[in-house]
Amino acid sequence: DAGITQSPRHKVTETGTPVTLRCHQTENHRYMYWYRQDPGHGLRLIHYSYGVKDTDKGEVSDGYSVSRSKTEDFLLTLESATSSQTSVYFCAISSEFNSPLHFGNGTRLTVT
Amino acid sequence: AQKITQTQPGMFVQEKEAVTLDCTYDTSDPSYGLFWYKQPSSGEMIFLIYQGSYDQQNATEGRYSLNFQKARKSANLVISASQLGDSAMYFCAMRGRGSEKLVFGKGTKLTVNP
Repeated sequence: DAGITQSPRHKVTETGTPVTLRCHQTENHRYMYWYRQDPGHGLRLIHYSYGVKDTDKGEVSDGYSVSRSKTEDFLLTLESATSSQTSVYFCAISSEFNSPLHFGNGTRLTVT
Repeated sequence: AQKITQTQPGMFVQEKEAVTLDCTYDTSDPSYGLFWYKQPSSGEMIFLIYQGSYDQQNATEGRYSLNFQKARKSANLVISASQLGDSAMYFCAMRGRGSEKLVFGKGTKLTVNP
């Protein structure tokens, strides 16, 4: 299995609080991604990174920010959590264009 | 922009029979990759099979094969000899050469009946 660890695995937080999710990889892959999964929507890309300090927005980036200060770590921050951000968040990594993404086990976030 | 369409929200198949899960795509990239993932009820995303747009042959991985029809922009997943453990959500995805992003369809829920 690809070495990807997401933390925490579960989190419950209140509306308006900041939340940071962490993705850690041991594969030294260039690309890292954050997706959210909601019923009826499949997986939607939030942000991705193509190198240290190199990030870009996905299709549902509003309300989220990311940082990648080291190859192995990719952080997703919800500056002020809202109930619409209740979801399952997946981190994924890949080495290059024609390589498949390998996913972490997901973080279930509930915003009350 | 890239788009993946999976028109079958749910599919049923009898154990030991073959099943085809449909996937159509739209892209302006001349070079791209197509992927299929399986998500069992436990939640993890499992990579199944990859097809490159310039690959001459359809991809196969064990009981999984990809029926790639480039002119029709379709990349259907064929599962042969279905097993009860194949019951899961299946997602088709694509990644264009000009984009680092992997775009997913909404998925098909497959149920294998004994």
